[in-house]
Amino acid sequence: DGGITQSPKYLFRKEGQNVTLSCEQNLNHDAMYWYRQDPGQGLRLIYYSQIVNDFQKGDIAEGYSVSREKKESFPLTVTSAQKNPTAFYLCASSARQNPYEQYFGPGTRLTVT
Amino acid sequence: QKEVEQNSGPLSVPEGAIASLNCTYSDRGSQSFFWYRQYSGKSPELIMFIYSNGDKEDGRFTAQLNKASQYVSLLIRDSQPSDSATYLCAGFSNDYKLSFGAGTTVTVRA
Repeated sequence: DGGITQSPKYLFRKEGQNVTLSCEQNLNHDAMYWYRQDPGQGLRLIYYSQIVNDFQKGDIAEGYSVSREKKESFPLTVTSAQKNPTAFYLCASSARQNPYEQYFGPGTRLTVT
Repeated sequence: QKEVEQNSGPLSVPEGAIASLNCTYSDRGSQSFFWYRQYSGKSPELIMFIYSNGDKEDGRFTAQLNKASQYVSLLIRDSQPSDSATYLCAGFSNDYKLSFGAGTTVTVRA
């Protein structure tokens, strides 16, 4: 089956801890994205990567970090510097020729207390 | 001002009726527009996209784009209870980023 997987589905952490969210795709897509969604709000872009070993900050990158060592993988680390990390995190990918048609993984719901 | 604004809803329609969702955008550089459907607790699913002025129909869905008025809409005909979801409008601009609206929640009453 082709698709995007994110793990875990639910994640609970104590304040002050870093946490890494996994995103893997086997669609052979070049571009990958991380979004954050808060209740009643749309998606906000955290980071995106158009090719391996390169990534750009989105609109709300502060307190987050990413890496893109493999085409298939784009993990997101939520650091202790992120002031309000509790949210629904969504990973997406798109093909080079259709960067606007983004397909989403199932999401990770992070709760920090 | 947010780049993409949606009518806030929530929108409640009877089964079989037409649901009309509206979206405006501020970036004239936006080239393409997308409608995503998101069921509660799930990730968004792409259901329609439109690049050119006018209407685009796909089954019970019709997307409309008016670039002069910077306006995008989605019509859902013969609404079904399974259409109950939040619909997100998104615009794609030259900087290769999608900007999302906050979403409109639709409830179809049986």
